[in-house]
Amino acid sequence: GGIITQTPKFLIGQEGQKLTLKCQQNFNHDTMYWYRQDSGKGLRLIYYSITENDLQKGDLSEGYDASREKKSSFSLTVTSAQKNEMAVFLCASRDWGGETLYFGSGTRLTVL
Amino acid sequence: GEQVEQRPPHLSVREGDSAVIICTYTDPNSYYFFWYKQEPGAGLQLLMKVFSSTEINEGQGFTVLLNKKDKQLSLNLTAAHPGDSAVYFCAVRRIASSSFSKLVFGQGTSLSVVP
Repeated sequence: GGIITQTPKFLIGQEGQKLTLKCQQNFNHDTMYWYRQDSGKGLRLIYYSITENDLQKGDLSEGYDASREKKSSFSLTVTSAQKNEMAVFLCASRDWGGETLYFGSGTRLTVL
Repeated sequence: GEQVEQRPPHLSVREGDSAVIICTYTDPNSYYFFWYKQEPGAGLQLLMKVFSSTEINEGQGFTVLLNKKDKQLSLNLTAAHPGDSAVYFCAVRRIASSSFSKLVFGQGTSLSVVP
């Protein structure tokens, strides 16, 4: 088995601040994802990466940057935090050719 | 693109009762279907994955039905217990015509099972 670790679990920032969320997986999966979870809206895809150094924009990429410098890690940066971005951010990974996504436990973002 | 509508958004049932959650999707080329369970403070855990070739799938304490004609996917918890209290998400993915096909999630159903 494997695990996806997201840090930090809780992130508090000021409006306009640049904030970074980190994700590590030891499944040796190729594809990694960042989703944003807002209450009542399901999960929306921000960025994904199909291999090391690859980055692809999802439906909600504006205001975010991502980085995949290693196969095992995928980070997400909120470029200028806004109050309407308060949500839970979920990282996930999937093996190439596999159908199942495996999720981390999330980072809850609060913007003051 | 694909849209997935999930209902109800909130559901409260008594222990031992059944609970039904329904997702309606739009893309007739959808091929893979998933139910995920999210407990408080945790990520999503896969409950069941369903391929379009199978209409009825049974798990431990639940049944997943796929109605391709009406483009509906349902999760039926047959005798709910408090441990089933969680948020449930359906997700749909089309046949991969390219190297990547997106998983589209429903809005989630918050299930509360009262003793």
